[in-house]
Amino acid sequence: GAGVSQSPSNKVTEKGKDVELRCDPISGHTALYWYRQSLGQGLEFLIYFQGNSAPDKSGLPSDRFSAERTGGSVSTLTIQRTQQEDSAVYLCASSLFGTGASYEQYFGPGTRLTVT
Amino acid sequence: GNSVTQMEGPVTLSEEAFLTINCTYTATGYPSLFWYVQYPGEGLQLLLKATKADDKGSNKGFEATYRKETTSFHLEKGSVQVSDSAVYFCALSDRTNFGNEKLTFGTGTRLTIIP
Repeated sequence: GAGVSQSPSNKVTEKGKDVELRCDPISGHTALYWYRQSLGQGLEFLIYFQGNSAPDKSGLPSDRFSAERTGGSVSTLTIQRTQQEDSAVYLCASSLFGTGASYEQYFGPGTRLTVT
Repeated sequence: GNSVTQMEGPVTLSEEAFLTINCTYTATGYPSLFWYVQYPGEGLQLLLKATKADDKGSNKGFEATYRKETTSFHLEKGSVQVSDSAVYFCALSDRTNFGNEKLTFGTGTRLTIIP
């Protein structure tokens, strides 16, 4: 079946512009995660969605970052007024969810964001 | 907070050599431990996992044992192949108060196998 897909695969933007990154999770996966992979910080958790709500936003680095999820499916990560330090690969992952159970997170190919 | 420390790369080995990539962790709870692999041009894939102390995860000839006493989860393979060239990430997950399993990753180790 289809895996996690992300778009665009590459995005180059000018400092100060807003960008939107999209994630299509695996059908039926209620849990969705965003991570960031950058040279300086490695792989970091950003935000977690359960259905359409985001109970854990603890990894968002600033209020320029926001995310939403609609229909329990597609998620969009928005970065406003981009800065050069936002340059990174943004990864999305999805998984099943169950109280007390542990489920594998399946990762998308990522969006490489370059802020010039 | 939780953290994962893994062996700095890059690591270059000849085909059929023995591989060890060290990984140690710090966690307040009882995390699950993982090795993820990222092949060139591809996304992160789960390689193996262990959910409790003394568990051994294994896949594709790779093994790692959850050692609580040394807080380690070292990745090993007896005979590497060129196709094993990739970046390997050690990670732990801990269930948060929000119910999610947040992954904390090591910095990654780039492995190159030469024929």
